[in-house]
Order: sequence, then C-alpha cells, then structure tokens
Amino acid sequence: GENVEQHPSTLSVQEGDSAVIKCTYSDSASNYFPWYKQELGKRPQLIIDIRSNVGEKKDQRIAVTLNKTAKHFSLHITETQPEDSAVYFCAAQLVFGTGTRLLVSP
Amino acid sequence: NAGVTQTPKFRILKIGQSMTLQCTQDMNHNYMYWYRQDPGMGLKLIYYSVGAGITDKGEVPNGYNVSRSTTEDFPLRLELAAPSQTSVYFCASSYPTRTISYNEQFFGPGTRLTVL
Repeated sequence: GENVEQHPSTLSVQEGDSAVIKCTYSDSASNYFPWYKQELGKRPQLIIDIRSNVGEKKDQRIAVTLNKTAKHFSLHITETQPEDSAVYFCAAQLVFGTGTRLLVSP
Repeated sequence: NAGVTQTPKFRILKIGQSMTLQCTQDMNHNYMYWYRQDPGMGLKLIYYSVGAGITDKGEVPNGYNVSRSTTEDFPLRLELAAPSQTSVYFCASSYPTRTISYNEQFFGPGTRLTVL
C-alpha cells in the first residue's frame, strides 16, 4: 500500500522568512496530493492540493510542487506570518504524513 | 449548512465497553471517511464509504465497525474498547466528480475518546 514520509517534523522560522515542507510517497498510481493545516485543537482544513497532471500550483503565499518521477512533493510558504503557525499534513490520496509543526516567530 | 458534525465531543470509556461515534454531513457528499489521530501523529484511515450501503476498510480497521444506511450518516462502532483506541476521531466527507475520485475532504470537529 501507499506510504507517505514527511520532513521536517518541526520547523521554526522568523516572520517574513520562507518555509518548505517535503513529502515523499511510494505508490506511483497516486494522483491526488492535498495539504492540510491543523491549528491546535481544531480540525484539519485544506490549504492547497495538486493533481498528478500538474507540476506546480500557487495560491497567494502558498505553492506546491510535484515531481512524479521522484515521487516527491513540497509545500512552500513565502512571507510567513505568526498566524501560519500550525501543524501541516501532506497526503497522497487518503494516506497522510506524520505532520510538520511550523512555528513562526514575530 | 452545518457541514460535518460529530457527537459526542468527548467520551471516557472503560475497557471492554462499547460505543458509537456519530457523524452526519449535510453537503450531499457521496464519500465519507473515519480517521483516528494519535497525539503528535498524522491521520490514519479506519474505514471509508463511497455511498450508501458500501463500506471499505482503511489502514487500521481492527476493533471498529461502520455502516452507511443513508448518504448523510456514517456512524463508527467501537466494540470491546481497549486503551489502544484512545485517540481523537475525525469524520470527513468529500464529493467525487464523474472523472475525479479524490477531492478536498471536509472534516468534522472530532471526538476525543479516552479508554481507561
């Protein structure tokens, strides 16, 4: 079955810096890669997703890139703000990574 | 729309007890899912359903059962609760299209379950 690995497990940045979170997956048949943000005590919410027929997708300060050959996909957040602090999860279809705790310091 | 709702919010069970976690969505989504989230971990799929009357096992189905008699409801049953089932349980739903099976999942607020 599918296996998703996510790195790093924690990431601390200064406000205004960029943050990058990386995931790898094992099943070449996977074709849907969402990213979810989960604030403390809250439910996960989708922030961006990408399908296997696209290499990159942007939404304001957030972008996701996908390398199907290497089975890698990454989340890029630019100009980070304190409200970006949360746990971010990648997924390959219905299999989730273990999460990255992002802390943005003012 | 209320979206995805779950009851109860919190529950403490004794070892060996049983309970049903309720999940309802009002978005007319065909697909529904149950996940568990252990502390500091990601979400693990327990069971999912692609429509009324159809259910399938996910990664960690042991100790759980589900049913899907209507589009709106997808209850999760725990039989003979064990401490290993202490977790936060999230229900979710999504809407497939004619050509796309997987889409954004909308999560409920979660049920925090402790088994002592």
